[in-house]
Amino acid sequence: GENVEQHPSTLSVQEGDSAVIKCTYSDSASNYFPWYKQELGKRPQLIIDIRSNVGEKKDQRIAVTLNKTAKHFSLHITETQPEDSAVYFCAANPFTGGGNKLTFGTGTQLKVEL
Amino acid sequence: NAGVMQNPRHLVRRRGQEARLRCSPMKGHSHVYWYRQLPEEGLKFMVYLQKENIIDESGMPKERFSAEFPKEGPSILRIQQVVRGDSAAYFCASSGTSGTTDTQYFGPGTRLTVL
Repeated sequence: GENVEQHPSTLSVQEGDSAVIKCTYSDSASNYFPWYKQELGKRPQLIIDIRSNVGEKKDQRIAVTLNKTAKHFSLHITETQPEDSAVYFCAANPFTGGGNKLTFGTGTQLKVEL
Repeated sequence: NAGVMQNPRHLVRRRGQEARLRCSPMKGHSHVYWYRQLPEEGLKFMVYLQKENIIDESGMPKERFSAEFPKEGPSILRIQQVVRGDSAAYFCASSGTSGTTDTQYFGPGTRLTVL
């Protein structure tokens, strides 16, 4: 089955700096890669996603890049703010014809310091 | 447009009791997924259901766990004879259309504590 690895597990940055989180996946059939933000005790919230027919997608301060050949994708947050502090999860959709369950990475605890 | 609803938000059970978790998908959504999140860990897929059908249960433990999504009413995740290792947050998500790349929206979760 699909396996998603995520790095780093923790990341501290100064307010205003950029943060980058990287994920790799194993199943070359995966074609959908969402990123979720989860604050403590809250639900995972989709912040951005990318499909395999594009290499990059941007939404204000957040961008995601995808390299299908290398099977990795990354989340980039620019001009970080304290409210960006949360756990971020990447995921991949290993479509096998039976549904689009998501396989998640282990998460990155991002802390934005003043 | 109400989001994904889950209840109860918190559930306490003693070992050996049954736990029933309910999920109402977003309006217009007919696909439901259940995920389990152990403390300080990621989300693990359990089961994917459409109305009256289990599509993929490859992540469900073989014993004590079952799920349904009836024609009317919410999806139910049922855990029989709970053990302490079942303590976790259980999230459901829903998506709108059949296919391979539907966006999944998560509910607020049910936090199960087994004493």
